[in-house]
Amino acid sequence: DAGVIQSPRHEVTEMGQEVTLRCKPISGHDYLFWYRQTMMRGLELLIYFNNNVPIDDSGMPEDRFSAKMPNASFSTLKIQPSEPRDSAVYFCASSFRGPRQFFGPGTRLTVL
Amino acid sequence: AQTVTQSQPEMSVQEAETVTLSCTYDTSESDYYLFWYKQPPSRQMILVIRQEAYKQQNATENRFSVNFQKAAKSFSLKISDSQLGDAAMYFCAYKGRGAQKLVFGQGTRLTINP
Repeated sequence: DAGVIQSPRHEVTEMGQEVTLRCKPISGHDYLFWYRQTMMRGLELLIYFNNNVPIDDSGMPEDRFSAKMPNASFSTLKIQPSEPRDSAVYFCASSFRGPRQFFGPGTRLTVL
Repeated sequence: AQTVTQSQPEMSVQEAETVTLSCTYDTSESDYYLFWYKQPPSRQMILVIRQEAYKQQNATENRFSVNFQKAAKSFSLKISDSQLGDAAMYFCAYKGRGAQKLVFGQGTRLTINP
């Protein structure tokens, strides 16, 4: 299996621009998670889906952030408008009926 | 809310020696999972070892082992025969059995000296 796939690996954008991060979970996995990693806050869960349905979005920092999962093999995390404080590494992870979560390689976002 | 604390921001060890990374956690739950993840410079989060709280036996994976003290809410990672490839950030994480969220500690940066 290819593992969790994220794109792009790096994204540099200017403040105010829309940013879209993409994730393809491992085939057959029914949970999908978005985490953010920053120096100040460490790794924190933003939102997770079960069978394509958002279950808990309490970690989403504000309305500028939105996430969708239109089908079992694809999810997006969108930031609009982006701000410098959104600069971080964003991880997607997936799991299937077990405690282990499989992480993607992450997207390093830099907002200038 | 559950919290995970790693009190050692940085650790270093000589190659081939043994090192122990500390982790404590706070929870009111009785059934949960604990994990150690490794994050090398590539950023990839790699699962090193996992412990189920209901299991009294400490988990072991080759050179990696844990010391799980449930009453003390302590979960340390021991790396034996340290290798240069072990250099990375190490994160301790908690997950309640009925929950999906992983709660991470702040991480410990491990340096291996040749």
